[in-house]
Amino acid sequence: GQQVMQIPQYQHVQEGEDFTTYCNSSTTLSNIQWYKQRPGGHPVFLIQLVKSGEVKKQKRLTFQFGEAKKNSSLHITATQTTDVGTYFCAGPRTGNTGKLIFGQGTTLQVKP
Amino acid sequence: DSGVTQTPKHLITATGQRVTLRCSPRSGDLSVYWYQQSLDQGLQFLIHYYNGEERAKGNILERFSAQQFPDLHSELNLSSLELGDSALYFCASMGTTAGELFFGEGSRLTVL
Repeated sequence: GQQVMQIPQYQHVQEGEDFTTYCNSSTTLSNIQWYKQRPGGHPVFLIQLVKSGEVKKQKRLTFQFGEAKKNSSLHITATQTTDVGTYFCAGPRTGNTGKLIFGQGTTLQVKP
Repeated sequence: DSGVTQTPKHLITATGQRVTLRCSPRSGDLSVYWYQQSLDQGLQFLIHYYNGEERAKGNILERFSAQQFPDLHSELNLSSLELGDSALYFCASMGTTAGELFFGEGSRLTVL
């Protein structure tokens, strides 16, 4: 079945270092969404990418959607302790309107 | 505050028992999604309702059932509980801007 995979599963960085998580889909996606879940919290929507090759920025976060619309990445520049959490990508299931398939997430730990 | 309300926040019960988790979507949203998140696991899609009708089913066990009522709140019923059912259960409703999900704070179920 359709799968969305994320790597790495865990990442520990020193505060100030950069961080990247990668998301790969087994099928072409019409769009991809990114969510952040703080420890003990619930997932919160960050952004949606729709166009092939699209790049969007939110302050220190840069999101990219691959040309083939099967992969995406989230890059955080100069991490801060507030960036700690699990980052999920999610894509709509082919032919099933409304259902989002989530990747397993990348958990980011930032050492001060 | 996402606007999605879930109760109870925490629930401890014994194997073999039955519990009901409740969710109210954001005002104006017609959809309700249920996800299960086990320890160190991603978000597993259970079921989706839209305006009272079931729209999609994920890997939901036969022991689990859900419904959405005319006032749009939803209930997830979990029966014959097993230890492995211990997890966070999230409810979400879908926004209209980017098709993003707004998650509630979750119901943490512990089966002893």
